[in-house]
Amino acid sequence: NAGVMQNPRHLVRRRGQEARLRCSPMKGHSHVYWYRQLPEEGLKFMVYLQKENIIDESGMPKERFSAEFPKEGPSILRIQQVVRGDSAAYFCASSPREGGTYNEQFFGPGTRLTVL
Amino acid sequence: QKEVEQNSGPLSVPEGAIASLNCTYSDRGSQSFFWYRQYSGKSPELIMFIYSNGDKEDGRFTAQLNKASQYVSLLIRDSQPSDSATYLCAVRRAQKLVFGQGTRLTINP
Repeated sequence: NAGVMQNPRHLVRRRGQEARLRCSPMKGHSHVYWYRQLPEEGLKFMVYLQKENIIDESGMPKERFSAEFPKEGPSILRIQQVVRGDSAAYFCASSPREGGTYNEQFFGPGTRLTVL
Repeated sequence: QKEVEQNSGPLSVPEGAIASLNCTYSDRGSQSFFWYRQYSGKSPELIMFIYSNGDKEDGRFTAQLNKASQYVSLLIRDSQPSDSATYLCAVRRAQKLVFGQGTRLTINP
């Protein structure tokens, strides 16, 4: 499977727990983006990362949320002390290069987070 | 004003007809435009992208871009029930995509 991989596909957490969402980009892609889709709402950009660098985190909530894309391994979106309002679908996308004319982003299957 | 606006629908089209989906954007400097299809409970799937004014055709899909009017559209010819989905318009701003709310399309057999 050469597509974007995300795990887990479904995650249930109780209020106050931590959630860790993982994303492996498509083969040959070095740029990772995280988006959140709240129920009945559109997709909202959260963060853009390259290996070992956060390039744009303008869409990340100021508290409790963090992201990383280490040299080895998947990108991780971490949500500390989850609240019910964090319940959403979290999608990861990847692209092969930065900028330019061709910067198509391909989405993974998403992680559906439910906070009880 | 939202940066990317779409009519949320639902848009109902008979099978075999042409479905027309519309999107407007506010940033006149935008250069890249994308259409994604999202089935209920699934992830967005890229179906078309367009960068130049005019039409771009791919099978039953045609994307149309008019930068002067800040308008991008998607036409689906010979609509099939399997085309029933939410269609998301996205505009690239720096390295991120800004999405509209999506238009829910239903193709009636």
